[in-house]
Amino acid sequence: AQKVTQAQTEISVVEKEDVTLDCVYETRDTTYYLFWYKQPPSGELVFLIRRNSFDEQNEISGRYSWNFQKSTSSFNFTITASQVVDSAVYFCALTSNSGYSTLTFGKGTMLLVSP
Amino acid sequence: NAGVTQTPKFQVLKTGQSMTLQCAQDMNHNSMYWYRQDPGMGLRLIYYSASEGTTDKGEVPNGYNVSRLNKREFSLRLESAAPSQTSVYFCASSVTRTSGRETQYFGPGTRLLVL
Repeated sequence: AQKVTQAQTEISVVEKEDVTLDCVYETRDTTYYLFWYKQPPSGELVFLIRRNSFDEQNEISGRYSWNFQKSTSSFNFTITASQVVDSAVYFCALTSNSGYSTLTFGKGTMLLVSP
Repeated sequence: NAGVTQTPKFQVLKTGQSMTLQCAQDMNHNSMYWYRQDPGMGLRLIYYSASEGTTDKGEVPNGYNVSRLNKREFSLRLESAAPSQTSVYFCASSVTRTSGRETQYFGPGTRLLVL
């Protein structure tokens, strides 16, 4: 069975601080995919990134960066110089390459960025 | 392109009433999904449709039925609403479901309150 753990329920930072959201996953598959979604206060779910299990290169997109480490089964998300608009719930999710695989979500981390 | 749309955005029902949540996508995706989101639980899959003409149960299907009306539309029906079905419901779609690498794109959600 697949499992995603986001141990941080809620994080509060002050604007311009860097913040890292942790994600630890479990799967028996050798081919799998990891995702991050953002859910702002307006409620929609916004896709941020997808990584496959064969690509351990870290990725940077503007102020966002992702650190994928298979050795520790982690896919952490860092926001540099946080802004108030980053306030949201962030979900990490996992699928595998098994047929008709299910997208398994973590319970989310609520990030509050104060001015 | 609108992406994934859902109606209604908000609904209040009395216990025992029925209703249908509508979902449509204009991305020519083959696969569609219904999730529910409850506080502290992340998202859980209710039903999915891997392709037009097929539907299958997800993690929490009890109390729900679905219809894949055509390639674009996937509806979720509550035949006899219960307070336990108070939740936010999300529809999603992806190109296919045969490979875990496909990203799911989500609609804006429907907030349902059952009294």
